[in-house]
Amino acid sequence: QSALTQPASVSGSPGQSITISCTGASSDVGGYDYVSWYQQHPGKAPKLLIYDVSDRPSGVSNRFSGSKSGNTASLTISGLQAEDESDYYCSSYTITSTHVIFGGGTKLTVL
Amino acid sequence: QVQLVQSGAEVRKPGASVKVSCKASGYTFTDNYIHWVRQAPGQGLEWMGWINPNSGGTNYAQKFQGRVTVTRDTSISTAYMELSRLRSDDTAVYYCARDLGERGDACDMWGQGTMVTVSP
Repeated sequence: QSALTQPASVSGSPGQSITISCTGASSDVGGYDYVSWYQQHPGKAPKLLIYDVSDRPSGVSNRFSGSKSGNTASLTISGLQAEDESDYYCSSYTITSTHVIFGGGTKLTVL
Repeated sequence: QVQLVQSGAEVRKPGASVKVSCKASGYTFTDNYIHWVRQAPGQGLEWMGWINPNSGGTNYAQKFQGRVTVTRDTSISTAYMELSRLRSDDTAVYYCARDLGERGDACDMWGQGTMVTVSP
């Protein structure tokens, strides 16, 4: 099964808001509210930002928010900060034999 | 504090096997699934499978069926991932990660990663 589709890169200026999309199918993103988002800085392990489409683990800033419409989930980062520059990955439960599928990743550049 | 500590880097020849360990601490090991996820150099994340430490039950991605085996030793709160018949494209950082519970999807704590290099 192919990875979920994310834009390769997005950029924004400090203080702005950006949105990263994650497009799948009815067998994954569209069919279940089990979409997660991770942040990964170079050379580091991923960090969970969002689970169940829009829930934040304790300790994650409320500048990060998630949503879903149809087969596309979105991560919005408001009030961009320099430390938000990172790679972001979405993931979803899938009914297929893959069980869990990731997006290809999006590199966020803070200008 | 909650942490997952993985074993060190490994180098293997094509056709060999590798076994990576993941020791959990700071929580009850049997309360949360453990996932294994890999990342090839410069590439994205790829889910391999999970284990239920309580029952020992496993679930693997079809791509790795027959080549991956995930086990656990509850006496030492450690999970293991063994990958056999290694190929050069198995060169990657392998992560273990703790599931939010017994869900099988999202992971809230990750190990530091183990680099596995497959080279003649």
